[in-house]
Amino acid sequence: DAKTTQPNSMESNEEEPVHLPCNHSTISGTDYIHWYRQLPSQGPEYVIHGLTSNVNNRMASLAIAEDRKSSTLILHRATLRDAAVYYCILLTTSGTYKYIFGTGTRLKVLA
Amino acid sequence: ETGVTQSPTHLIKTRGQQVTLRCSSQSGHNTVSWYQQALGQGPQFIFQYYREEENGRGNFPPRFSGLQFPNYSSELNVNALELDDSALYLCASSPSFRGLVNEQFFGPGTRLTVL
Repeated sequence: DAKTTQPNSMESNEEEPVHLPCNHSTISGTDYIHWYRQLPSQGPEYVIHGLTSNVNNRMASLAIAEDRKSSTLILHRATLRDAAVYYCILLTTSGTYKYIFGTGTRLKVLA
Repeated sequence: ETGVTQSPTHLIKTRGQQVTLRCSSQSGHNTVSWYQQALGQGPQFIFQYYREEENGRGNFPPRFSGLQFPNYSSELNVNALELDDSALYLCASSPSFRGLVNEQFFGPGTRLTVL
């Protein structure tokens, strides 16, 4: 199975941009990259996803490397409510579907 | 619009027993996925159902089985419970085309404790 690797934790100051990296060097051509975040005592919440091109939505941006072996989730202005565990996930679609979660990055936002 | 709901909230079982967990999908969602999340770990994908058929499975043994009903609600069954099955079980539903999912909506989970 393909695998994702993320830093265990990161810190950011409030209202500053945050770049959360993810390595997925064994990704295959049909694997999608998804990001979810999880607040304490809650189920994960969708953030963004992409395949090859960079993606933007109201929550964040996803920058995907040209070789697709890594990606970066960008929060443009971190707020205290963005403090959560962020998961980088590969969705494999060749054959049957399978979601492969990384270990997650705990983001701490400092006021 | 009602979100994804799961029942029960908490459950205590003993080793060797069987358990059934239930999930009601968000209205209009035809795909449901189940995850196991051990304490301090990320979710692990168990399986996904699309229109009542399993179309994806993670690395879980056959004693983990599931069903999706015509109204797209779902059950997760675990037989011969082991201590390591103690975890938070999360259900997620999504509106998808041919099983390809964009955004999943997660329920609050069922906390299973196996003694």
